[in-house]
Amino acid sequence: DSGVTQTPKHLITATGQRVTLRCSPRSGDLSVYWYQQSLDQGLQFLIQYYNGEERAKGNILERFSAQQFPDLHSELNLSSLELGDSALYFCASSVSFRNEQFFGPGTRLTVL
Amino acid sequence: GESVGLHLPTLSVQEGDNSIINCAYSNSASDYFIWYKQESGKGPQFIIDIRSNMDKRQGQRVTVLLNKTVKHLSLQIAATQPGDSAVYFCAEISLSGNQFYFGTGTSLTVIP
Repeated sequence: DSGVTQTPKHLITATGQRVTLRCSPRSGDLSVYWYQQSLDQGLQFLIQYYNGEERAKGNILERFSAQQFPDLHSELNLSSLELGDSALYFCASSVSFRNEQFFGPGTRLTVL
Repeated sequence: GESVGLHLPTLSVQEGDNSIINCAYSNSASDYFIWYKQESGKGPQFIIDIRSNMDKRQGQRVTVLLNKTVKHLSLQIAATQPGDSAVYFCAEISLSGNQFYFGTGTSLTVIP
């Protein structure tokens, strides 16, 4: 158990819908990272937050957005969902950018 | 129809043998590297890291070697055990540029 929690574990929805994935980092970790892992693209970095502020952006689509709240939990919002958005979405946390990241168990999103 | 998926390099080793997993990284500015292990249905798990000012680092049964000249990273697992069966992938991070890249991974199978 990494100490990072993600909800929900599974999510099934239809194209065009909007979903919110939630992540609680390990106690004491200020950085939160979001990743997408799909069958055909491996693990892709989406976005990083540090203490509430966006710090780095990867391959995140404009239909996706994220935020980190004052209590340091983070949410990833996915809108206008497409079939290709079906993937595992992982959240990770670390003390700072220069430290190892601890991954949560992931949310499996299926878009039908 | 044709199936689409990520075709991971695979490595099969006998239990008790040593394993070597390789990773070629792409960004010359990357200065921090991590090896992760991902078991089926779970999030990636940190194994070992190395900074660019080092060329070797050892952990418990694992050793990471870094060759910056040819941008190559390797993970050596000593006395491989069935529990080591998983997908292993390397991550390269540019600390100054806030950039993360993950390799596609190598699937390790340990034969009892």
